[in-house]
Amino acid sequence: DQQVKQNSPSLSVQEGRISILNCDYTNSMFDYFLWYKKYPAEGPTFLISISSIKDKNEDGRFTVFLNKSAKHLSLHIVPSQPGDSAVYFCAARWANAGKSTFGDGTTLTVKP
Amino acid sequence: ETGVTQSPTHLIKTRGQQVTLRCSSQSGHNTVSWYQQALGQGPQFIFQYYREEENGRGNFPPRFSGLQFPNYSSELNVNALELDDSALYLCASSLDRVGTEAFFGQGTRLTVV
Repeated sequence: DQQVKQNSPSLSVQEGRISILNCDYTNSMFDYFLWYKKYPAEGPTFLISISSIKDKNEDGRFTVFLNKSAKHLSLHIVPSQPGDSAVYFCAARWANAGKSTFGDGTTLTVKP
Repeated sequence: ETGVTQSPTHLIKTRGQQVTLRCSSQSGHNTVSWYQQALGQGPQFIFQYYREEENGRGNFPPRFSGLQFPNYSSELNVNALELDDSALYLCASSLDRVGTEAFFGQGTRLTVV
């Protein structure tokens, strides 16, 4: 039973356009959500996070939106750059737990 | 550069053998977590150590065990290796048990033949 799902294995966008990566979760106990980016031969790198008490968090070109009623979050990248091409993982955790539950990732390709 | 290093980067073992993977966390990070990432999947939580004590465990059998040392290094030990243990093993360190931001190492690619 996968509690965090990223239903799109891949996404391709043109440079300068918006990239939208989606993530769904099933466990309503999750109260903190994170996005990680992973390049080949490297470990995941923390990108941005959001607490369940918020519905939006923004950091430069990256914005994460949380819809708790739909148990859905999304990562928006505007504008997309070729260097953003990587695998993006959505992760979720609940209060006072160090464990993160990850989705299977979405491979983003940004074409010049 | 996350300041978290893992060794070795690649390893080939035979079914039934034992393996020890190592991780050096960022100085001051009291928490280390280990994850297994199979091909095409996201990282799966194995266990977490906080100040040298196990602080949570995922759905992995007892043949997966760990140690954390006072010098911010840690080990993942796997006994009686099985073919399905072939995966990328990641360690992640954070300042505290909740650790809103975890810093991952580059991983150890283990192949069991």
